[in-house]
Amino acid sequence: DQQVKQNSPSLSVQEGRISILNCDYTNSMFDYFLWYKKYPAEGPTFLISISSIKDKNEDGRFTVFLNKSAKHLSLHIVPSQPGDSAVYFCAAASRGGSNYKLTFGKGTLLTVNP
Amino acid sequence: NAGVMQNPRHLVRRRGQEARLRCSPMKGHSHVYWYRQLPEEGLKFMVYLQKENIIDESGMPKERFSAEFPKEGPSILRIQQVVRGDSAAYFCASSPGTRISNEQFFGPGTRLTVL
Repeated sequence: DQQVKQNSPSLSVQEGRISILNCDYTNSMFDYFLWYKKYPAEGPTFLISISSIKDKNEDGRFTVFLNKSAKHLSLHIVPSQPGDSAVYFCAAASRGGSNYKLTFGKGTLLTVNP
Repeated sequence: NAGVMQNPRHLVRRRGQEARLRCSPMKGHSHVYWYRQLPEEGLKFMVYLQKENIIDESGMPKERFSAEFPKEGPSILRIQQVVRGDSAAYFCASSPGTRISNEQFFGPGTRLTVL
């Protein structure tokens, strides 16, 4: 039972263009969402988060959009750079109760071509 | 300020042996979490510990797995009588608190291979 789904295992974009990574969730108790970036042989690194009271959060080149009615979020990276090439994980948590317990998707491998 | 440290980075065990994975949280962090990533899967929560206390072990397999975070020293994830299905990457994370805005900082992981 996968509660957080990243349906695209991989994505390839050209340097300078926009990268859009998508994530869907099924558990309506989730109200806090995070994106992590992971390089090979390293642990995940926090990138950006969004609370369910917002529909957009921006940090530099990274913007996360949340559509609660569709239970969908997306991460936009603009402009994409070769150093952005990594696996991106979407994660979700619930503020009430076990808010420390992150539920991860399977990840999307982003490749940014020079 | 050193990040979360895990050792060993790679561990090879034969079926039936014991595996001990160590995690030293970031300085000032007293909350430790263990996650497991099976091949082609996302990270899955296993256990949450504070010093000398297991707070939530709902993600731990019922048998052969145990975790501790003693007053002194690193947190230990112990797997007894390992089987091939235990082969995975095990990540430890730490945080200064449990407010949801407290980011969990991850270590580099221990890659366990069971022969």
